[in-house]
Amino acid sequence: QKEVEQNSGPLSVPEGAIASLNCTYSDRGSQSFFWYRQYSGKSPELIMFIYSNGDKEDGRFTAQLNKASQYVSLLIRDSQPSDSATYLCAVQGGSEKLVFGKGTKLTVNP
Amino acid sequence: ETGVTQTPRHLVMGMTNKKSLKCEQHLGHNAMYWYKQSAKKPLELMFVYSLEERVENNSVPSRFSPECPNSSHLFLHLHTLQPEDSALYLCASSRLPWSGDTDTQYFGPGTRLTVL
Repeated sequence: QKEVEQNSGPLSVPEGAIASLNCTYSDRGSQSFFWYRQYSGKSPELIMFIYSNGDKEDGRFTAQLNKASQYVSLLIRDSQPSDSATYLCAVQGGSEKLVFGKGTKLTVNP
Repeated sequence: ETGVTQTPRHLVMGMTNKKSLKCEQHLGHNAMYWYKQSAKKPLELMFVYSLEERVENNSVPSRFSPECPNSSHLFLHLHTLQPEDSALYLCASSRLPWSGDTDTQYFGPGTRLTVL
């Protein structure tokens, strides 16, 4: 059973701080990694994907991947109250389905 | 919102009712998916259709019956559901299912289903 683990939180950070969201996965053959943001009562929306070791930056968001440690993270710089949501990590093998974690709830306090 | 729409957005039904959920994607994608999202559980993949053919069925009870008449439309027919089936049902689409290429899925707004 391929698993994706996330700390359910809630994770609380003050406005302007860096929020760090972590995800580990069990399938060493996983190749693609996604971060989705889901506001309460809404559907998930894709924020970033990454498939190479290292960092990938997009605006205030940075995804970090370490395949040796089977670990992927999402950093949100200069956190804003509008970033308050549940963040879902999803992992995909080469020819296999997307497997989601339970999500981490982030609260950014003004 | 995204190019994936779902109707209805909310549905309340009794255990003996028959209803259908509808999903439509306007993105020109080839694959469509049904997911179930229950409180405090990961998103659960229910069905996958690729070019209108079902390619994945994750041991979903037969009271859920999918239909994909074309690559833009996906239905989920519901009958004799149980209260534990109450959840958010999400439709998603992607360009190619598990092709080895990065499979970016785009979600619809979901249908909040309550079974009484």
